[in-house]
Amino acid sequence: ELKVEQNPLFLSMQEGKNYTIYCNYSTTSDRLYWYRQDPGKSLESLFVLLSNGAVKQEGRLMASLDTKARLSTLHITAAVHDLSATYFCAVGVYSGGGADGLTFGKGTHLIIQP
Amino acid sequence: DTGVSQNPRHKITKRGQNVTFRCDPISEHNRLYWYRQTLGQGPEFLTYFQNEAQLEKSRLLSDRFSAERPKGSFSTLEIQRTEQGDSAMYLCASSLAGLEDTEAFFGQGTRLTVV
Repeated sequence: ELKVEQNPLFLSMQEGKNYTIYCNYSTTSDRLYWYRQDPGKSLESLFVLLSNGAVKQEGRLMASLDTKARLSTLHITAAVHDLSATYFCAVGVYSGGGADGLTFGKGTHLIIQP
Repeated sequence: DTGVSQNPRHKITKRGQNVTFRCDPISEHNRLYWYRQTLGQGPEFLTYFQNEAQLEKSRLLSDRFSAERPKGSFSTLEIQRTEQGDSAMYLCASSLAGLEDTEAFFGQGTRLTVV
């Protein structure tokens, strides 16, 4: 059974600081996703990582994937208040047909204070 | 097409009643997924369809749950004889099969409260 663990589950940080969220998964996977969720809202796709060593960046967020360590990181650079949200990583296995059912972590609840 | 649409957004029902939710995916997407999310947790996969075929069901999907996608477009999720433990956000997502880097786009969800 595929398990996905995120840490920390809760993070309070100040604007301008850097921090990293970690996502470990238990079995071989070839697709990892990061999603953002604002309170009461749905999930917004941030990154899709497909191969070992993949790195993607969008604004102040950068995601990376190490398939050998079964680890992905989401790095936040010079955090701003607008990045406050819950961040989920999700893992799946590509079967040739697209995005199969994903296994999500519990999420990291991020609060960025001025 | 503005994205995945779910109806209703909120549903309050009495224990033992049946409820049905609807999901309209992004029009060109052939895959459709149902997830359940409880407070403070990540979404849990329930089932998915490719076109009208239901290809995978989670063991979380008890006999009281049934999902259909009759014409490969919209989908319905029915819960029979609801229980308080069914209270959750039910999320629908869609994607386009065949692309390695495909991603699933989520709807706003239907929040179910069983009283």
